[in-house]
Amino acid sequence: GAGVSQSPSNKVTEKGKDVELRCDPISGHTALYWYRQRLGQGLEFLIYFQGNSAPDKSGLPSDRFSAERTGESVSTLTIQRTQQEDSAVYLCASSLAQRGWSDTQYFGPGTRLTVL
Amino acid sequence: QQQVKQSPQSLIVQKGGISIINCAYENTAFDYFPWYQQFPGKGPALLIAIRPDVSEKKEGRFTISFNKSAKQFSLHIMDSQPGDSATYFCAASIRTSGTYKYIFGTGTRLKVLA
Repeated sequence: GAGVSQSPSNKVTEKGKDVELRCDPISGHTALYWYRQRLGQGLEFLIYFQGNSAPDKSGLPSDRFSAERTGESVSTLTIQRTQQEDSAVYLCASSLAQRGWSDTQYFGPGTRLTVL
Repeated sequence: QQQVKQSPQSLIVQKGGISIINCAYENTAFDYFPWYQQFPGKGPALLIAIRPDVSEKKEGRFTISFNKSAKQFSLHIMDSQPGDSATYFCAASIRTSGTYKYIFGTGTRLKVLA
């Protein structure tokens, strides 16, 4: 079946512009996560959704970052007034959010954002 | 306390050798410890995972060793192959607000020489 997809795969923008990144999770996955991965670094948690609500926004680095999810499906991550330090790969993951001790996250290929 | 420390940052191994990557954590509330493999240009993919009541889990050439008292866990890749060359991330998760929050290590770039 189809995995997690993200678009665009690459985005180059000018400093100060707004960008929207899209994530299509695996069908039926109720949990959706956004991470940021700077070059050569680990994954930095940004936000997660359970259904359409976002119980944990603690990782959003500033109020320029926001995210929404509709129909328990597609999610968009919006970065307003982009800065050069926003340049990174933005990864989306989804999971079934099953009860129990484990909940496998499935990652998309990421969107590489470059802010000039 | 939410950090997961991973080492080494990079690793070069000869084909057929054993690759060992280590991780350490502080928060004893973590209850699930997965390892992810990431190839260039791709998202991370789950490789193997362990729960804290088990000391070892093996899947093919990949083994996780878990030391609960030391709050450490490691990934061993036996008979390492050039195709294993990738970046490996350890992670620890904690159940919160109805789902799991993952804390990732900083990654280990593995290169297996042919």
